[in-house]
Amino acid sequence: EAGVAQSPRYKIIEKRQSVAFWCNPISGHATLYWYQQILGQGPKLLIQFQNNGVVDDSQLPKDRFSAERLKGVDSTLKIQPAKLEDSAVYLCASSHRGTSGGISSYNEQFFGPGTRLTVL
Amino acid sequence: ELKVEQNPLFLSMQEGKNYTIYCNYSTTSDRLYWYRQDPGKSLESLFVLLSNGAVKQEGRLMASLDTKARLSTLHITAAVHDLSATYFCAVGGGADGLTFGKGTHLIIQP
Repeated sequence: EAGVAQSPRYKIIEKRQSVAFWCNPISGHATLYWYQQILGQGPKLLIQFQNNGVVDDSQLPKDRFSAERLKGVDSTLKIQPAKLEDSAVYLCASSHRGTSGGISSYNEQFFGPGTRLTVL
Repeated sequence: ELKVEQNPLFLSMQEGKNYTIYCNYSTTSDRLYWYRQDPGKSLESLFVLLSNGAVKQEGRLMASLDTKARLSTLHITAAVHDLSATYFCAVGGGADGLTFGKGTHLIIQP
C-alpha cells in the first residue's frame, strides 16, 4: 500500500513570497490533516478535512494560510505571504475512519515525509 | 484547551539500561498515541492506546495508559543504540486532530 505522498520535499523562499504544498493521501482515506512542525517542537494541527469538507481549522492562520481539498482526495496548503516564523516542516497525514462493532475505530493517522520550508 | 506534557524532554542513557518517558494530558480523551521520529524523517506510529489500563509492547518498548490519572508511559527495556530518536505522545481531541507533546529526544550511548 502506497503511503502519503507530499511535494515538494524542500522549499526555500524569501519572506512575503507565496508557496504551495501538495499532499496525496493513502487511497481510500477520507480524512486528511495538515500539521506544522517547528524545529524542536511537536506537530501542531493546522486543518482537518473529512472528504472535501473542513472539520477543524481553528489553528490555521487564515490571514495568510489557505487549504483546499476540492475532490476529496489531493490537498494543497498555501501560504501567502510567507513570514520568517513560517519556517517549519509541513506534514500531511491521512486516516480511514472505520467502525468495529458499532464503536468508532481509533482512526490511526499515517504521516507523509513532510515539506521542509525555509523562509529567508 | 487540551495540553500534552512530556518529560523528560531530553534523555541520554547507556545501552542496557531501563527508562520511562511520561506523558500527561489535561482533559479527558479516549485515544493516546506514541510516535517515533528520526532526524529529518516523518513520524512513525508505535502504539495506539484506547482504554484505561491498556498496555502494548513491541520489542523493547512498552506503552501503558491510565485515563484516570491522564497519564501514559513509554518504558524502554535494555536500551540499544537503534532506539535513539525523538518520541512523541499525542492525544486525540473532540475531532480527530491530534495534540502532540514537545517530544522526548532520546540518545542511547554504547
